[in-house]
Amino acid sequence: AQTVTQSQPEMSVQEAETVTLSCTYDTSESNYYLFWYKQPPSRQMILVIRQEAYKQQNATENRFSVNFQKAAKSFSLKISDSQLGDTAMYFCAFMGSGGSNYKLTFGKGTLLTVNP
Amino acid sequence: DSGVTQTPKHLITATGQRVTLRCSPRSGDLSVYWYQQSLDQGLQFLIQYYNGEERAKGNILERFSAQQFPDLHSELNLSSLELGDSALYFCASSAFSGQKNTGELFFGEGSRLTVL
Repeated sequence: AQTVTQSQPEMSVQEAETVTLSCTYDTSESNYYLFWYKQPPSRQMILVIRQEAYKQQNATENRFSVNFQKAAKSFSLKISDSQLGDTAMYFCAFMGSGGSNYKLTFGKGTLLTVNP
Repeated sequence: DSGVTQTPKHLITATGQRVTLRCSPRSGDLSVYWYQQSLDQGLQFLIQYYNGEERAKGNILERFSAQQFPDLHSELNLSSLELGDSALYFCASSAFSGQKNTGELFFGEGSRLTVL
């Protein structure tokens, strides 16, 4: 079974600074998807960024980028120029691409607070 | 707006009761997932349906059941409720077709269940 570990329960950053959230995972599959989801106080789960394991290039979405290290099974999220609206719980998630089971397995989450 | 609709948004009930949570997936999405989010267990996968058929099962209790109807909406039935069932229940949908996985789940806003 796949597991996802987020070792930082809470983090804080000053507005306009850069912060990196860590995530490691365990799987025996060779191809899969990795995601970062954001859950603000509104509770809505919002996709931040997605990475396909067979792509070596790290995904980037505006101020959000990932550092995907497949051999190390590491998938960190970097948020540049942090904004107050980035305050949220961030979840790392894994989805296998083999067979018919495409469920997401989530880490426990990292609560990020952006301070003015 | 993810396009996934969940009702009700909030529900308060008593132990021993039964409730039904409803989910309408995004237009065109065939796959529906149910997740439970609680403080102690994090985001737990419950069950997945694809085009009316159960596709994957996670940590779903025997007191819980779900189904997906021909119009693709889904219902999660929770019975003999206990205090520990209090949680946020998310529905998500994806365009997973069995042949091509787009890799992204779209989440509803969740149904907050409080069992007193």
